[in-house]
Amino acid sequence: AQTVTQSQPEMSVQEAETVTLSCTYDTSENNYYLFWYKQPPSRQMILVIRQEAYKQQNATENRFSVNFQKAAKSFSLKISDSQLGDTAMYFCAFMDQNTGTASKLTFGTGTRLQVTL
Amino acid sequence: DAGVTQSPTHLIKTRGQQVTLRCSPKSGHDTVSWYQQALGQGPQFIFQYYEEEERQRGNFPDRFSGHQFPNYSSELNVNALLLGDSALYLCASSLQGGNTGELFFGEGSRLTVL
Repeated sequence: AQTVTQSQPEMSVQEAETVTLSCTYDTSENNYYLFWYKQPPSRQMILVIRQEAYKQQNATENRFSVNFQKAAKSFSLKISDSQLGDTAMYFCAFMDQNTGTASKLTFGTGTRLQVTL
Repeated sequence: DAGVTQSPTHLIKTRGQQVTLRCSPKSGHDTVSWYQQALGQGPQFIFQYYEEEERQRGNFPDRFSGHQFPNYSSELNVNALLLGDSALYLCASSLQGGNTGELFFGEGSRLTVL
């Protein structure tokens, strides 16, 4: 079974600064996806960024980027130029890429990020 | 293009009662998954429906059951409610065989069991 660990329950960052959220995972699979989801107070989970395990290049989406270390099973999220709208819970999640297990996400416990003025 | 819609948004039940939650997937999606998110926790996978059949199941008792209809919409049923069933129930849709792995989530149904 896969596990996802987020060791930072809460973090705070000032507007326009950079923050990094940590995530580690454990799996015996070789082909999988990793995700960061954002959950604002509105409750809807919103995909921030996605990484395919076979790709060595780190994924980037505008101000969001990841540091994917497959051997270390580490998948951190860097948010640059933080904005007040980035305030939310952030969840790291794992999905086995085998078709038979598609759409089963294993989530971490989340990191609450507060962006301050 | 409507995203994933869930109903009701909030509901209150008492122990021992039964509840039905509903989900309509994003247009073009054929697979629906349900997750339970307890307060302060990450979502936990309940089960997945595809072609009107339960395809995968997480570590949840038989009190949790579901259904998928020909139009791909889905229901989650919970019988004999316990206090511990109080949670946000999230529905997520996807396209079976899609190669992105991305799930689209609804805003959830907040269930409170008294």
